[in-house]
Amino acid sequence: SAVISQKPSRDICQRGTSLTIQCQVDSQVTMMFWYRQQPGQSLTLIATANQGSEATYESGFVIDKFPISRPNLTFSTLTVSNMSPEDSSIYLCSARDRTNTGELFFGEGSRLTVL
Amino acid sequence: GESVGLHLPTLSVQEGDNSIINCAYSNSASDYFIWYKQESGKGPQFIIDIRSNMDKRQGQRVTVLLNKTVKHLSLQIAATQPGDSAVYFCAENTGNQFYFGTGTSLTVIP
Repeated sequence: SAVISQKPSRDICQRGTSLTIQCQVDSQVTMMFWYRQQPGQSLTLIATANQGSEATYESGFVIDKFPISRPNLTFSTLTVSNMSPEDSSIYLCSARDRTNTGELFFGEGSRLTVL
Repeated sequence: GESVGLHLPTLSVQEGDNSIINCAYSNSASDYFIWYKQESGKGPQFIIDIRSNMDKRQGQRVTVLLNKTVKHLSLQIAATQPGDSAVYFCAENTGNQFYFGTGTSLTVIP
């Protein structure tokens, strides 16, 4: 199984600012994803982080708001841009094993509160 | 697609009883399914998975049932313990992506 580390684990941000969340996986993985979990709700897929190319965004999410980088097979970042209180959520990084046939692993998440 | 909901469904069970958590999935082309457990302040943890060529799979104290005809999954937890209190999500694999169901909050009453 893969171990996924995220930072920051939590932060309090001011409206209008941007924050970058980092995700490090302890082994090379093929697929990495970013999810959002709003308070009391389920996980919503934001995008697939593609190595060396632009991320693939789900409906309702755009690159200008959630720019994503993935420079190599073990690291990705998600930026939440121009934050508003509605962006207060847990942001979760996940990865699938190298064979791309098994389970999806998750980090502990980054809990953002926007004032 | 997005999962939208204001409140998670809840289930309360007595310690020692069996729990059944249900999930409806959306895509008939989904071929792999996972149940996750999420405790407060933590990321989702894998519990058990099942592929679409099966209709039942058993683990330690947990069983997953898959009914492809009605696009329904269930998670059965035997002899529920206080440590089972958490939110449970099903996830369906479509292509390379996983999409999550609404989730159920399980409370075990000692």
